[in-house]
Amino acid sequence: NAGVTQTPKFRILKIGQSMTLQCTQDMNHNYMYWYRQDPGMGLKLIYYSVGAGITDKGEVPNGYNVSRSTTEDFPLRLELAAPSQTSVYFCASSYSWGGADTQYFGPGTRLTVL
Amino acid sequence: DAKTTQPNSMESNEEEPVHLPCNHSTISGTDYIHWYRQLPSQGPEYVIHGLTSNVNNRMASLAIAEDRKSSTLILHRATLRDAAVYYCILRASSDRGSTLGRLYFGRGTQLTVWP
Repeated sequence: NAGVTQTPKFRILKIGQSMTLQCTQDMNHNYMYWYRQDPGMGLKLIYYSVGAGITDKGEVPNGYNVSRSTTEDFPLRLELAAPSQTSVYFCASSYSWGGADTQYFGPGTRLTVL
Repeated sequence: DAKTTQPNSMESNEEEPVHLPCNHSTISGTDYIHWYRQLPSQGPEYVIHGLTSNVNNRMASLAIAEDRKSSTLILHRATLRDAAVYYCILRASSDRGSTLGRLYFGRGTQLTVWP
């Protein structure tokens, strides 16, 4: 199993450009998450999804959009990129939301906005 | 957010045991204690979790205080590959509306392992 995969690994954007970060999982997990990690900090939740067609905002959703048309895919869309969105983005998935459940993370996408 | 407190950094020599502490004095009775670690330039990976009793797995052991206000992650023999940031995270076992499923990451403890 590949687990959680993310593309691209690296990307440089100019201010005002848009892009989509791709995330795919092959574990048939209903729950998927997008986090961002700024240098020297922990991860912050951007958006999450509890199943196909259902998404909700996390702590830092401004400037981002998501969609969930299939169980496997959970793309993150950046509209009008800003320097404040320079960060490393991690996608994660889990079987459930229960306290004993674990999240599986992808390798991350390092984004720089200039 | 259920908060945890960890030292910013710790050091160990290779093949020695490492005890990583975490304080969580505001833990609720149904919160699980999770540990994740993040190797350089990688995504976080699950290490271990527990509720009340001490837990062991192939990676580590988790010792939970009787009052559950603190816990300790134990790496029995540190290797160079264990150098990472270790996060202690509380996870609600029931739906609390907007906190559904999320993990709250602090800054964690940077573990340095010397050869």
